[in-house]
Amino acid sequence: ETGVTQSPTHLIKTRGQQVTLRCSSQSGHNTVSWYQQALGQGPQFIFQYYREEENGRGNFPPRFSGLQFPNYSSELNVNALELDDSALYLCASSLGDRDQAFFGQGTRLTVV
Amino acid sequence: RKEVEQDPGPFNVPEGATVAFNCTYSNSASQSFFWYRQDCRKEPKLLMSVYSSGNEDGRFTAQLNRASQYISLLIRDSKLSDSATYLCVVNGAQAGTALIFGKGTTLSVSS
Repeated sequence: ETGVTQSPTHLIKTRGQQVTLRCSSQSGHNTVSWYQQALGQGPQFIFQYYREEENGRGNFPPRFSGLQFPNYSSELNVNALELDDSALYLCASSLGDRDQAFFGQGTRLTVV
Repeated sequence: RKEVEQDPGPFNVPEGATVAFNCTYSNSASQSFFWYRQDCRKEPKLLMSVYSSGNEDGRFTAQLNRASQYISLLIRDSKLSDSATYLCVVNGAQAGTALIFGKGTTLSVSS
């Protein structure tokens, strides 16, 4: 067990809807990163939060947004869902962005 | 060119075989290198970090060649439980770019 928990584990949404995914980081970790993993692909970096501030972003449109809270837990929000957003969404926590990252079990999102 | 490229899979080997995975990365400023293992429909888990001096953990040996921007993973005496997808991972060169994953190579070990 990594101590990183994500909720929900599975989710089905309709195209055009909005979704919020949640992540509780490992105790003491101040950095949370989010990744999208499509079927048959490696995880793709969405963005990273460090001490409640976004400090890095991958090649994802603005409808992907996030938050980090004072307890370092985090949310990923996706607006105007598209079919291609169907994927496994992974959260990873670490102590700084150069330290070993520990992944949660992921949220499997299906957009229909 | 993709930032991290891996051997295309799948690799199908018998128990006891030795198998090697290769990976190249494009950004010479990258600082940290890893191999992660991912079981079907599960999250990636760190298998081992990779250092220029090479490192070994039991049946697993990882090598890094910075000059060639090349990373390898060798698995000796393959077990059925080694069946998984192996992801080559590079830490982004810039702060805040987190981890950059290869597409992964699937290994299937059969009895």
